[in-house]
Amino acid sequence: NAGVMQNPRHLVRRRGQEARLRCSPMKGHSHVYWYRQLPEEGLKFMVYLQKENIIDESGMPKERFSAEFPKEGPSILRIQQVVRGDSAAYFCASSQGITYPYEQYFGPGTRLTVT
Amino acid sequence: ELKVEQNPLFLSMQEGKNYTIYCNYSTTSDRLYWYRQDPGKSLESLFVLLSNGAVKQEGRLMASLDTKARLSTLHITAAVHDLSATYFCAVVLTRGSQGNLIFGKGTKLSVKP
Repeated sequence: NAGVMQNPRHLVRRRGQEARLRCSPMKGHSHVYWYRQLPEEGLKFMVYLQKENIIDESGMPKERFSAEFPKEGPSILRIQQVVRGDSAAYFCASSQGITYPYEQYFGPGTRLTVT
Repeated sequence: ELKVEQNPLFLSMQEGKNYTIYCNYSTTSDRLYWYRQDPGKSLESLFVLLSNGAVKQEGRLMASLDTKARLSTLHITAAVHDLSATYFCAVVLTRGSQGNLIFGKGTKLSVKP
């Protein structure tokens, strides 16, 4: 069973471009969480999705950021018109459920650099 | 709003020494996790603590939870260089949560020979 997969692992974008980050959850996992880690900081929750639904986006900036988790295919975090402050590592985690004993399994992350 | 504070944020130790990392959280939590992160890597789950008085040990690391004090500790015994990494605690809210984790800022541990 492959782990959580994210691609690309590294992404460089110029200011104003769009960034698309993909996350394929572990097999059998229908819950996906996205977190952002700024340099030298802890991870901060952004959004929680189940298949085809955004359940909680309370941690996501109101503008330029969007997320989806379609019926088929990976979850996508989209950042439009990137700015330097968007430079960070973006991790997704997947789970079979939200309560114990279900755990979140983290992907390797996408490191976004905005030049 | 749930806040999670770790201290110290930076820790430089000599091999063979013992030390403790502290994690305080501000409101009732369902469960508490400790993770390890190596530079440029993802998070590795170390422990999950569920109830007051819970203690878990793996090798030179031991984690404990005091829910009344809202405090967890990660104790390092006889540190070795391989333990150098950043350690995060994270909690899940008891109510109104969709299971998302609230992280502390992390403790960057450096073990020197």
